[in-house]
Amino acid sequence: AQTVTQSQPEMSVQEAETVTLSCTYDTSENNYYLFWYKQPPSRQMILVIRQEAYKQQNATENRFSVNFQKAAKSFSLKISDSQLGDTAMYFCALSNTDKLIFGTGTRLQVFP
Amino acid sequence: GAVVSQHPSWVICKSGTSVKIECRSLDFQATTMFWYRQFPKQSLMLMATSNEGSKATYEQGVEKDKFLINHASLTLSTLTVTSAHPEDSSFYICSARTRPYEQYFGPGTRLTVT
Repeated sequence: AQTVTQSQPEMSVQEAETVTLSCTYDTSENNYYLFWYKQPPSRQMILVIRQEAYKQQNATENRFSVNFQKAAKSFSLKISDSQLGDTAMYFCALSNTDKLIFGTGTRLQVFP
Repeated sequence: GAVVSQHPSWVICKSGTSVKIECRSLDFQATTMFWYRQFPKQSLMLMATSNEGSKATYEQGVEKDKFLINHASLTLSTLTVTSAHPEDSSFYICSARTRPYEQYFGPGTRLTVT
């Protein structure tokens, strides 16, 4: 069975600072994809970043970057220069088919 | 690009009635769409995979006769909650696959059954 674990139910960070959200996963597959989705108070799910497991280079999208450790099955999200608009639930997700398996989420609060 | 809409965004219905939720891909064709359910402060739970022109595939524990899914075109999938009861009250989210392993989500529908 495939699982995704987010061990931080809540995190907080001051505006302009950097924060890292943790995610570990388990899969027996060799080819898979990992994602971070953001769900702000509007509840619209927004794709933040995606990582293909076969790529060793960590994905980056502007202020968002990941630390992908395949052997350790770890996929953390780093948010640099945090902004108030980053306040949201963040879900880590795994897919090796079309289905997405979500973690339980981390609620991030950015303080001014 | 990759915009997915849902209608309605919010619906209240009486117990025993049925309600239909629409999911549309606005600027792309989606042969595969997904339906999720999200309880307050919880994660998304996949209910079913909707494939254009064929029957939906339901996840274990999801009642296919209660949650009817129809994917009649490449841009539209519908979820009908039949004989709704208060325990069906939830936030329902659809998504559409744009390319392998990537999904874009609709804004969700809040269903309240009284």
